[in-house]
Amino acid sequence: SYVLTQPPSLSEAPGKTARITCGGDNIASKGVHWYQQKPGQAPVLLIYYDTDRPSGIPERFSGSSSGNTATLTISRVEAGDEADYYCQVWENNSDHPVFGGGTKLTVL
Amino acid sequence: EVQLVESGGGLVKPGGSLRLSCEASGFTFSSYNMNWVRQAPGKGLQWVSSIITSSTYIYYADSVKGRFTISRDNAKNSLYLQMNSLRAEDTGVYYCVRRNGYTSGAFDIWGQGTMVTVSS
Repeated sequence: SYVLTQPPSLSEAPGKTARITCGGDNIASKGVHWYQQKPGQAPVLLIYYDTDRPSGIPERFSGSSSGNTATLTISRVEAGDEADYYCQVWENNSDHPVFGGGTKLTVL
Repeated sequence: EVQLVESGGGLVKPGGSLRLSCEASGFTFSSYNMNWVRQAPGKGLQWVSSIITSSTYIYYADSVKGRFTISRDNAKNSLYLQMNSLRAEDTGVYYCVRRNGYTSGAFDIWGQGTMVTVSS
């Protein structure tokens, strides 16, 4: 089965740029979705199909994908961005979604 | 307001059963594929099961196949998960989730979750 690999944790200072990676075999050929989950809350869709933002998601959140790595970029990091972030794709020729293990972003 | 509200969670002994429900509102429920995604305490997200609009196609994670049954009632705007032969490793928050073709199949709406605890 397809595996998505994320770093377990990342720390960044307010105002800086955080980049969260999601690794997978030829991931650029799939559509990668990103979710944000704050403590005690349900996940929220942040980015869909590599780069698109649902309405209401700030422009500070952006996505990209190339080769074997997809990246979620958070510009001008704020304290309120402290959360767990998950990437997700759909396995080829199946209806099984796959989630990455999640990355906990700590804002210093 | 687009909303998913789960219910039915609780404490159950190993080997026991529970039935989760999810009531949808604010959108045409019958037009969307629906899913259950769970999260064990302190762990990541794990897909459990999905059902397409007409219930013709249903899929399960290997870890729950043969024990869980997903179903839906489009007339009642409701999604269900019948969980039998529950194990300790089934403990976690269960989310009802909408899959949206307009967002390339991303899970765009999540319920608040319902907690399932399997313990003796």
